[in-house]
Amino acid sequence: GAVVSQHPSWVICKSGTSVKIECRSLDFQATTMFWYRQFPKQSLMLMATSNEGSKATYEQGVEKDKFLINHASLTLSTLTVTSAHPEDSSFYICSARGIAGGLEYTQYFGPGTRLTVL
Amino acid sequence: AQKVTQAQTEISVVEKEDVTLDCVYETRDTTYYLFWYKQPPSGELVFLIRRNSFDEQNEISGRYSWNFQKSTSSFNFTITASQVVDSAVYFCALSPYNTDKLIFGTGTRLQVFP
Repeated sequence: GAVVSQHPSWVICKSGTSVKIECRSLDFQATTMFWYRQFPKQSLMLMATSNEGSKATYEQGVEKDKFLINHASLTLSTLTVTSAHPEDSSFYICSARGIAGGLEYTQYFGPGTRLTVL
Repeated sequence: AQKVTQAQTEISVVEKEDVTLDCVYETRDTTYYLFWYKQPPSGELVFLIRRNSFDEQNEISGRYSWNFQKSTSSFNFTITASQVVDSAVYFCALSPYNTDKLIFGTGTRLQVFP
């Protein structure tokens, strides 16, 4: 139980293009999903918290217009990196927290998406 | 301030050795959760354990055990008889009760050699 998927697992794009990453909770409903960024050999940095049906809450220093987050349903959140540049290259990981059944106290993570911007 | 410190950046052991990963946290809250996650080379964070601040009982799960001591604000993780498959980065994290957020430590990279 508590499986989270991400798609795509990796993506290479040209500078200036936009990239959408999907995060799905497969076997549970998640009112809250989180997006993290991780640089090589570093810890996870929380970018934003998204709640189903409402606007995402971004961490200080994260550009809202650059990283668009949509949490349209209880099982899907998307992160769109707009006008990507090489400095956006990173490992993006999402997590989901369930509604009940003990899942509401733990964040379950997806497998991550490696973004490379050329 | 809320903070998690994992002082050991990297640990190398030989298979079958026992290894302890240290985690020290700071919080003024009386109610909070502590977590350990494993991140193998594939990148996915795997949930290992959650502990709430009112439960100081140690826990054992197979070769894994956790020692929670509020007096020293520590939540250490021990792997007994380590195996090559245990090689990963291990993160300790703190979540205050009334917040959604996880505060991660910087992680400890464990390498288990055959």
